[in-house]
Amino acid sequence: DIVMTQSPDSLAVSLGERATINCKSSQTVLYTSSNKNYLAWYQQKPGQPPKLLISWASTRESGVPDRFSGSGSGTDFTLTINNLQAEDVAIYYCQQYYNTPNNFGQGTKLEIK
Amino acid sequence: QVQLVESGGGVVQPGRSLRLSCSASGFTFGRYTMHWVRQAPGKGLEWVAVISYNGGYEWFADSVQGRVTISRDNSKNALYLEMNTLRDEDTAVYYCARGIRTVQYFPADAFDLWGQGTMVIVSS
Repeated sequence: DIVMTQSPDSLAVSLGERATINCKSSQTVLYTSSNKNYLAWYQQKPGQPPKLLISWASTRESGVPDRFSGSGSGTDFTLTINNLQAEDVAIYYCQQYYNTPNNFGQGTKLEIK
Repeated sequence: QVQLVESGGGVVQPGRSLRLSCSASGFTFGRYTMHWVRQAPGKGLEWVAVISYNGGYEWFADSVQGRVTISRDNSKNALYLEMNTLRDEDTAVYYCARGIRTVQYFPADAFDLWGQGTMVIVSS
């Protein structure tokens, strides 16, 4: 199984600043034949289901603000949130879909400083 | 509108069974691989099971293998999860979720549509 490890477990960032969340997979999630990274990022607010923010490591879903961006390849990935807004307070998860089981990272709790 | 609505959760004793349902609307249900994902109270997300768009293929997490079945009725736009021999550690919110890729069977996928979830509590 591919193990997904996020860092940090929690972070506090001031409004308007940048938040950076890291995700590392225990093996590559890059399919060389397609040159695609099978990595997704989700946002989960209290009492709500997760919301897909980014797929294929860097493709933002429709309607997701462009202050959210994903980067990385192979085994190391980053979710960056620029110009942090109050509504960005949530838990963020990465997930690999390179193979089953579809494992998630443990989550990173983002708060306002 | 495009949505998934789960039902069937509740309080159940250890060792008993429970059937969860997920009703889909607003999209062509039969084109999508569908998944169940659960979240124990205060914990992270755990993928549980997947069924192909036509119901012909399934895959399960090791934690539930042999205790759950997944099925779907495309004529009713419905997804099901039958859970047997329930354990305390099965206590969670169960979400149905849609895979992002259509028609072909991809047991590993990202999930672009989620229901609100249904709570299952296993307790004596």
